Amino acid sequence: AQSVTQPDIHITVSEGASLELRCNYSYGATPYLFWYVQSPGQGLQLLLKYFSGDTLVQGIKGFEAEFKRSQSSFNLRKPSVHWSDAAEYFCAVGSNDYKLSFGAGTTVTVRA
Amino acid sequence: DAGVIQSPRHEVTEMGQEVTLRCKPISGHNSLFWYRQTMMRGLELLIYFNNNVPIDDSGMPEDRFSAKMPNASFSTLKIQPSEPRDSAVYFCASSYGTADEQYFGPGTRLTVT
Repeated sequence: AQSVTQPDIHITVSEGASLELRCNYSYGATPYLFWYVQSPGQGLQLLLKYFSGDTLVQGIKGFEAEFKRSQSSFNLRKPSVHWSDAAEYFCAVGSNDYKLSFGAGTTVTVRA
Repeated sequence: DAGVIQSPRHEVTEMGQEVTLRCKPISGHNSLFWYRQTMMRGLELLIYFNNNVPIDDSGMPEDRFSAKMPNASFSTLKIQPSEPRDSAVYFCASSYGTADEQYFGPGTRLTVT
């Protein structure tokens, strides 16, 4: 069965600083990987996805993620965070069927 | 595109009452998912429909929960009778195809007192 671990429950970062959120997955074959963001009171919005090809994936809002098969990781990065990036971020792993397994989420706080 | 539409956005009800949550998926999507989000359990898949047919309902907590998808543009999730432990945010999501990205609605925050 597939699973996702997000080791950091909460991260605080200064506005303008870089951000990296960790995601480790467990899956026997090549996974489909996703990062979603959830602002308070909102649904989940897709930031980026990896299905195959280039292991460095660009997403919306200036985010990128890198798939590293050897480390079973799909970490999310942003070079310079904005106050509007404060939200909860979810990593998810999928396969050829319909099921997505979500991590527990990482809450990002941005301080001025 | 209006995205996935859910109603109501908030629902407060008393224990024992029937609750019906509604979802309109994105036009053209043929897969629909119902999720429940709680602090304790995170995001849980309740049921998955493909082409209006329930494919996997193994995540439905118990017989008090039921879901229907009478056509490609509408789905309901019903809880009868509701209990306080059902309090959560319920999300509907849709996708085109089974392994594609899922688009989430804004959710329904359910409070059962």
